Amino acid sequence: NAGVTQTPKFQVLKTGQSMTLQCAQDMNHEYMSWYRQDPGMGLRLIHYSVGAGITDQGEVPNGYNVSRSTTEDFPLRLLSAAPSQTSVYFCASRRGKMGETQYFGPGTRLLVL
Amino acid sequence: AQKITQTQPGMFVQEKEAVTLDCTYDTSDPSYGLFWYKQPSSGEMIFLIYQGSYDQQNATEGRYSLNFQKARKSANLVISASQLGDSAMYFCAMREGSQGGSEKLVFGKGTKLTVNP
Repeated sequence: NAGVTQTPKFQVLKTGQSMTLQCAQDMNHEYMSWYRQDPGMGLRLIHYSVGAGITDQGEVPNGYNVSRSTTEDFPLRLLSAAPSQTSVYFCASRRGKMGETQYFGPGTRLLVL
Repeated sequence: AQKITQTQPGMFVQEKEAVTLDCTYDTSDPSYGLFWYKQPSSGEMIFLIYQGSYDQQNATEGRYSLNFQKARKSANLVISASQLGDSAMYFCAMREGSQGGSEKLVFGKGTKLTVNP
């Protein structure tokens, strides 16, 4: 199993550009989520999905869209990039039971100029 | 309101000694789970240990143990026999959810652990 994969690993955008961060998992996990990590802070939840076709907002959803058309994929879209979205983005997945940990992808480092 | 508090921005420990990383939490949900993650300088998030709110015993995983004091709302991580490879950021996190399916994992700000030879 590849686990959780994310592409790209690093991306530079100009303010106003749009892009999609890709996330895929091959563990047949029901739950998938996107987090961002800023310096000096822990991870903050952006959006999450509890199954194909079902998404919901997390703590910091503004400026981001998600969709979940398949169990495996959960892309994160930046509609109009802003410097405040410079961060490291982690995708995670897990099974649906309470005690199950998230399995994190390697992260995408995004710089918005 | 901040739900996870890690009061130690940085900690130092000598190799082979034990170290405790503090974590306090706040929730009104009777059902919740507490997690500890390690983030080395390479950036990946590594799951270490889990404690459920209804678990009667403290969780242990190899050299990691979780000192769970429910009444005090604390979930401290204890690392025994520290190794140089333990140098990393450590995050405490909590997931609420009486339904068992809450996805809102809330993280603390982390503690940077440095293991000295």
